[in-house]
Amino acid sequence: QQQVKQSPQSLIVQKGGISIINCAYENTAFDYFPWYQQFPGKGPALLIAIRPDVSEKKEGRFTISFNKSAKQFSLHIMDSQPGDSATYFCAASMISGNQFYFGTGTSLTVIP
Amino acid sequence: KAGVTQTPRYLIKTRGQQVTLSCSPISGHRSVSWYQQTPGQGLQFLFEYFSETQRNKGNFPGRFSGRQFSNSRSEMNVSTLELGDSALYLCASSYGSSNEQFFGPGTRLTVL
Repeated sequence: QQQVKQSPQSLIVQKGGISIINCAYENTAFDYFPWYQQFPGKGPALLIAIRPDVSEKKEGRFTISFNKSAKQFSLHIMDSQPGDSATYFCAASMISGNQFYFGTGTSLTVIP
Repeated sequence: KAGVTQTPRYLIKTRGQQVTLSCSPISGHRSVSWYQQTPGQGLQFLFEYFSETQRNKGNFPGRFSGRQFSNSRSEMNVSTLELGDSALYLCASSYGSSNEQFFGPGTRLTVL
């Protein structure tokens, strides 16, 4: 049972465009929602994370939007650059533990 | 600070053999989690160790086991390898009960 569902599986965006990746979760006990970026041959790296007490968090070109009632959260990458081409994973966990549930990943390609 | 290190980076084994993977967390981090990453399933949680005790466990068969040493270094063992065990095995460390996990580069295991 996939506790975190992620879409789309792949995404192609023009340089300067907005990349949007969506995730949905089932367990209302989740209270920590990170996004990870993974380049080939590397482990995932934490990009940005949000807790459910806020609806939006922005760090540079990266923004998480969080909708608690819909149990959905999304990553927006503004002014997408070719260097952003990577696989992005959303995840969820409970603050009381370190067991993370990951989405299946989105392969983002930003074309010049 | 040095990041999470994993050894070996690549490993080729045959069915029925066993394998041991090693993970050295970031200095000061006491929690170590292990994940299996495959193209079809994404990142699947194996288990988490904190202060030498297994604190969380995912839905993997008993062939997958782990341990943590007093210096927080961790090992993961897979016995009686199957073809389906071919994957990237990732280790992540965090400080105490903090949710922020830092991943290593992974060990690529190929089972022939």
